Amino acid sequence: TQLLEQSPQFLSIQEGENLTVYCNSSSVFSSLQWYRQEPGEGPVLLVTVVTGGEVKKLKRLTFQFGDARKDSSLHITAAQPGDTGLYLCAGAWNQGGKLIFGQGTELSVKP
Amino acid sequence: KAGVTQTPRYLIKTRGQQVTLSCSPISGHRSVSWYQQTPGQGLQFLFEYFSETQRNKGNFPGRFSGRQFSNSRSEMNVSTLELGDSALYLCASSPLGLSSGNTIYFGEGSWLTVV
Repeated sequence: TQLLEQSPQFLSIQEGENLTVYCNSSSVFSSLQWYRQEPGEGPVLLVTVVTGGEVKKLKRLTFQFGDARKDSSLHITAAQPGDTGLYLCAGAWNQGGKLIFGQGTELSVKP
Repeated sequence: KAGVTQTPRYLIKTRGQQVTLSCSPISGHRSVSWYQQTPGQGLQFLFEYFSETQRNKGNFPGRFSGRQFSNSRSEMNVSTLELGDSALYLCASSPLGLSSGNTIYFGEGSWLTVV
């Protein structure tokens, strides 16, 4: 059962454009993480959000955790070709002991 | 600090064979979790080991098994390989595990192709 819905699945944009990736669930998470994965490599953690309504910024990337801790978004401002990759959200429950991943968003930024 | 190390990086096996993959966690990390990544199913949780005990398990058949040693190194084994087992197998480590809300750190993965 897929508990985390990530959208869009594919995104192809021009350099300089803005974009937003969404991660939604009917479950409440204790934390939600965003990863970026390049071909042939393992995912690399970008950020962990824990508190409902929390907003974190990482240079041109802005991450938001929904007030109810069921959804999250990743916004990239002025995308660059170096942002190309697979972006994954992952939700965790303190009692569950599992990490559930969204299907991922394949981002391609063209120069 | 060395990262998570997985071996081998690439391997090809024949249907019906078995395979063992190895993972060395970051020094001091006691939790190791394993994941399977395929284009169709995405990243799926296999199991987590902590202090040599399996603590959590995903929805995979019994052909998938693992173990953890006293030095926290972990192995996973897949027996009676099927074509559908072709995937990137990722290992991740964390200090205290998924249920503690720790950040996990992934290795580069082992690419398994079953022919």
